[in-house]
Amino acid sequence: LAKTTQPISMDSYEGQEVNITCSHNNIATNDYITWYQQFPSQGPRFIIQGYKTKVTNEVASLFIPADRKSSTLSLPRVSLSDTAVYYCLVGGPLGDSGGYQKVTFGTGTKLQVIP
Amino acid sequence: NAGVTQTPKFQVLKTGQSMTLQCAQDMNHNSMYWYRQDPGMGLRLIYYSASEGTTDKGEVPNGYNVSRLNKREFSLRLESAAPSQTSVYFCASRTGDNEQFFGPGTRLTVL
Repeated sequence: LAKTTQPISMDSYEGQEVNITCSHNNIATNDYITWYQQFPSQGPRFIIQGYKTKVTNEVASLFIPADRKSSTLSLPRVSLSDTAVYYCLVGGPLGDSGGYQKVTFGTGTKLQVIP
Repeated sequence: NAGVTQTPKFQVLKTGQSMTLQCAQDMNHNSMYWYRQDPGMGLRLIYYSASEGTTDKGEVPNGYNVSRLNKREFSLRLESAAPSQTSVYFCASRTGDNEQFFGPGTRLTVL
């Protein structure tokens, strides 16, 4: 399993863009990069997933350089409701043909949004 | 769709007691997972099931057993609870696109 490294915590003011970087030096060819968000007392929630280059959805963007050894989750104009723990996961392959995917949740990045 | 449901939401056990945590999903997913999360920590995988009838150990399987009863249900059993098993337990199921859906969790305290 690819090991991931993220900052333990980050603070940001409301309205700012937040970038959380995850390092995954031993990512494998079949691995995808997935980010989850977890609020206190809730299970994690899928945010975004990518393989290479850039992926954007209605919530966030994910930037992955060509060597894929790191990735950056970008949250535009954060609000107080974005205060949560963000986890970077690396694993693969995709598919639901009866195969499986073991991934590891690290300790995540605790994002505190300040008014 | 209810998504992933877990019962019970809270449980207090005495050391040595047994119990089963129930999990069900109505999204027709093949893969299901059990995690535990200790305070201030990330999630650690206990067991997973790639499909109905198959189960395999994750990172921290000791002290637990699982049953994939059918495609919908995946239960976690503690045969003889220990204080070290005090934790929040999350069940999840996974789509073919890699997205995991989590249940609301079971908060277990072992005295």
